[in-house]
Amino acid sequence: NAGVTQTPKFQVLKTGQSMTLQCAQDMNHNSMYWYRQDPGMGLRLIYYSASEGTTDKGEVPNGYNVSRLNKREFSLRLESAAPSQTSVYFCASSGVGTGGRETQYFGPGTRLLVL
Amino acid sequence: AQSVTQPDIHITVSEGASLELRCNYSYGATPYLFWYVQSPGQGLQLLLKYFSGDTLVQGIKGFEAEFKRSQSSFNLRKPSVHWSDAAEYFCAVAPGGATNKLIFGTGTLLAVQP
Repeated sequence: NAGVTQTPKFQVLKTGQSMTLQCAQDMNHNSMYWYRQDPGMGLRLIYYSASEGTTDKGEVPNGYNVSRLNKREFSLRLESAAPSQTSVYFCASSGVGTGGRETQYFGPGTRLLVL
Repeated sequence: AQSVTQPDIHITVSEGASLELRCNYSYGATPYLFWYVQSPGQGLQLLLKYFSGDTLVQGIKGFEAEFKRSQSSFNLRKPSVHWSDAAEYFCAVAPGGATNKLIFGTGTLLAVQP
């Protein structure tokens, strides 16, 4: 199992450009998440999807859109990138594991620089 | 306000020394609690988790954590640190057991001296 995979690993954008970050999981998890990580702020939830066809806003959704394409894939789109969106983006998925409760598992991250 | 606090931004320990990383939360009910580790340039790896029951939980890589309800704390410990433990450590809380609403602390960066 690859777990949670993300593409691309790195990206540089100019202000106003658009891009889509891809995420896929092979653990048959129902729930998937997008976070951003900024220095000194930990991880903050952008959007999550509890199941295929559903999405919900997290703490910092402005400037982003998401698509839960199927059970495996959850993409994050920046329609018009801004320098404030320079960050490291993590995708996660969650499923019931040991202990009978859901636990989140993370991908390796996408490092995005917006100039 | 509800929050997760990791009071130590940066800690340096000598290899072989013991380690304790602090985590405090401010939620009314007992939440689910997690510790993750992030090596440089990598994603987050789950070290251990607490849902209920025994308040001392064992994790991977020789780490353990103790939940103390009276102190609203979930401190991470390791008896003997290895150089490969140098990383950033994040405490996370699922208030009321809502694992789709993880709240992360700001992290503690651990450096290990030879």
